Amino acid sequence: GAVVSQHPSWVICKSGTSVKIECRSLDFQATTMFWYRQFPKQSLMLMATSNEGSKATYEQGVEKDKFLINHASLTLSTLTVTSAHPEDSSFYICSASPSGRGETQYFGPGTRLLVL
Amino acid sequence: KNEVEQSPQNLTAQEGEFITINCSYSVGISALHWLQQHPGGGIVSLFMLSSGKKKHGRLIATINIQEKHSSLHITASHPRDSAVYICAVRLGGGADGLTFGKGTHLIIQP
Repeated sequence: GAVVSQHPSWVICKSGTSVKIECRSLDFQATTMFWYRQFPKQSLMLMATSNEGSKATYEQGVEKDKFLINHASLTLSTLTVTSAHPEDSSFYICSASPSGRGETQYFGPGTRLLVL
Repeated sequence: KNEVEQSPQNLTAQEGEFITINCSYSVGISALHWLQQHPGGGIVSLFMLSSGKKKHGRLIATINIQEKHSSLHITASHPRDSAVYICAVRLGGGADGLTFGKGTHLIIQP
């Protein structure tokens, strides 16, 4: 089946630093990638939809200047958490859709971020 | 705002039991996903359906579009089925991202 990787799998950083998370589709081209966030004991929440070659679409309440998304190629999307704060500590998961319409989504293994 | 409600929130059963997890949603959707999340956090997509019924091994998923309801069944449950099962919907009208339920924490005891 289709494989999506994320790197790093976990990261600990100091408050105020920026953290970049990569999401790659390994064996298919993904015109659309999605970024989700999950706080402890809560459901996953869509943060943004990323289309290759265009600006990401952010969900209400997600700061686009804080969570920078770049989808420069059909196999790679990156999420950069800028000036991270402890409240940004969460589990970040990406998914990729080969069809471009989100009907089939393959999930990455997730990245645990802890901001001290 | 679409709400995705799952029940039960927690379920503990004995190995071999037939398991049913329910999902209800409040607005029109174009597709519904059942996902499995293991303790490490990784998510596996089990089913995507927009009508009827799908079966994969011991797992069966059904959806009733008119009633806005879906069920996930596990037959002959096994301890390795222990995980969080999440219902997620893709709204109609071109929105692609998923809206998730809170998940059902399933424990199968040997």
